[in-house]
Amino acid sequence: DAKTTQPPSMDCAEGRAANLPCNHSTISGNEYVYWYRQIHSQGPQYIIHGLKNNETNEMASLIITEDRKSSTLILPHATLRDTAVYYCIVRPPNTDKLIFGTGTRLQVFP
Amino acid sequence: DGGITQSPKYLFRKEGQNVTLSCEQNLNHDAMYWYRQDPGQGLRLIYYSQIVNDFQKGDIAEGYSVSREKKESFPLTVTSAQKNPTAFYLCASSMGLRIAEKLFFGSGTQLSVL
Repeated sequence: DAKTTQPPSMDCAEGRAANLPCNHSTISGNEYVYWYRQIHSQGPQYIIHGLKNNETNEMASLIITEDRKSSTLILPHATLRDTAVYYCIVRPPNTDKLIFGTGTRLQVFP
Repeated sequence: DGGITQSPKYLFRKEGQNVTLSCEQNLNHDAMYWYRQDPGQGLRLIYYSQIVNDFQKGDIAEGYSVSREKKESFPLTVTSAQKNPTAFYLCASSMGLRIAEKLFFGSGTQLSVL
């Protein structure tokens, strides 16, 4: 299974872009990259996912490098409500399981 | 509104007691999952089910049991064999088509041992 590496914590000023990095150097060609976030004492919430191309939705943008060994989740205008743990997950092929690591704790400050 | 409901939100277990955590979904999803989360840690998969009357062990199934008699329901029993049951338990569901799709999570059950 491809593993992911994320910084344990990051800070971001309210209104600024939050850029959360993730390394997945052992990713294989058919593995998707998923991002979820978990606000304290709640269930994780899906944010976005991608395979090769950059993706954007109403919550965030996902930038995947050309070699697919790393990606960045971008929250374009962070708010205090974006304070959460963000998980970068690589989904193994032919399985329905998602394996969650310890994620990045993002603190948005006023 | 469609969603996934876990109950109770808080649960206490006495030594040697089995307890059952409820998980119900009205999303018409085929797949359901149970995860365990310890403080400051990521989620670990306990059991998952792709279809009614079928389920598979995850990474930490020992001391737990599940059933999937109905598509909407996937209860988790924490047995007395689970020696360290205190944790936050999360249930999730997905369309389960083994293609790119997302999990929907419940709000969790905090289990504590008295």
